[in-house]
Formats: sequence, structure tokens, C-alpha cells
Amino acid sequence: ETGVTQSPTHLIKTRGQQVTLRCSSQSGHNTVSWYQQALGQGPQFIFQYYREEENGRGNFPPRFSGLQFPNYSSELNVNALELDDSALYLCASSLAPARVSYNEQFFGPGTRLTVL
Amino acid sequence: GQQVMQIPQYQHVQEGEDFTTYCNSSTTLSNIQWYKQRPGGHPVFLIQLVKSGEVKKQKRLTFQFGEAKKNSSLHITATQTTDVGTYFCAGPKGGGNKLTFGTGTQLKVEL
Repeated sequence: ETGVTQSPTHLIKTRGQQVTLRCSSQSGHNTVSWYQQALGQGPQFIFQYYREEENGRGNFPPRFSGLQFPNYSSELNVNALELDDSALYLCASSLAPARVSYNEQFFGPGTRLTVL
Repeated sequence: GQQVMQIPQYQHVQEGEDFTTYCNSSTTLSNIQWYKQRPGGHPVFLIQLVKSGEVKKQKRLTFQFGEAKKNSSLHITATQTTDVGTYFCAGPKGGGNKLTFGTGTQLKVEL
């Protein structure tokens, strides 16, 4: 196990609703990245947080937003849910948004979101 | 934008056979990482390659990074049922460790 935890494990919502997903990073890790993984596809980068500030964003609309707290845990919020938002949401923690260095990411078990 | 493709998409082998997945990036990568995701699981880091032409081995797994740092491969010798899963390569997007994942290769191993 990586020490990265996510909650909840599963969630069912309806179109138009809002959802908040939570992630606790591995001890000592100050960077959290969020990924969306649709069925049968690779994870897609949503955004990254480093020391409570957004540090890069992928090609996702503004209704995807996030937070990082002083203890480095993080939340992913999605407003106005759409059917295509159904996916596995993964968070990954790492030591720093390093340049070329050992920057392994430790993934949590994910939250399976279903939008009906 | 940066694209990372993998071939094949699926591979079905008999236990004991070898397996190779190839990863190709549309842009030069500062480094490449490989992850394994078991069915129903989450990606687990396997290795990182940084240098042009680098080759690393982990028991039955051999990883290579191309000379131009745009392609990579993972070779498994004598597959076992424990090798089942999807193998992803991933490269940094826009600096740091924000990753662009490849399309993945799903490996199934039959007894």
C-alpha cells in the first residue's frame, strides 16, 4: 500500500449535481495531483497542488476545481456533473513538483464516480 | 499537445511466453515512467528512465529509453499469471511531474 487514501470509494450522482472527493497524501509528501481515468483509458491529468497552490492544470473545464490544505490533503470538486464525468478519479502524491529528478508518484485507490 | 501512444492495445499470451509493449511520444521527454495497473486497482510505479539509451532491469522486466528520448519499451521474459494487468508509460507534461499517460497495453496471461 502507498499510504495515499481517498474517500469515498464509490459514489453515484445525477446529472447537474456537485461532488467533492478527498485525498490524504502520503506522509511527508507536499504535492498532490489529480487524474481522471475513464474506463479502458489511461489516466488524464486534471491539476496539481503544491503547498496549497495550483501548480499546473490539464485540459479540464473550470467546473473542475480543487483545494490543498496545510496538512497537504486535497479535495477535488466537480460542479454541474455531466454523464461523461463518470470515471475513476485518482489522486497521486509526491515529494515535490520536481524537475528532472526522482519524482515517483504514489497513487491512491481512487474514487469510482458514476453519473446517472 | 503532447501525445503518448502505446502498442499493442491488448496482448494475450501463454504463461512462459515473452511480452513487449512499445511507447511513443510526439515530443522529446525529459524522463519516462512506467506504471502497472492490476484489474480493479490503481497505477503502481515500476521505474523511471532518464538518460538517452538507458536500459534498466528488474528481475524479468527490462525497460529501455530510446536514444532520441521519444520512445520506450518494456519487455517481460517468461510471463507469469502475476504479470496480468495494464502497463502504462508516462512522461512529464509541461515540466515537473505532471504526467501524460500513454494509452496502455493490457496483458492477459493464460496457463
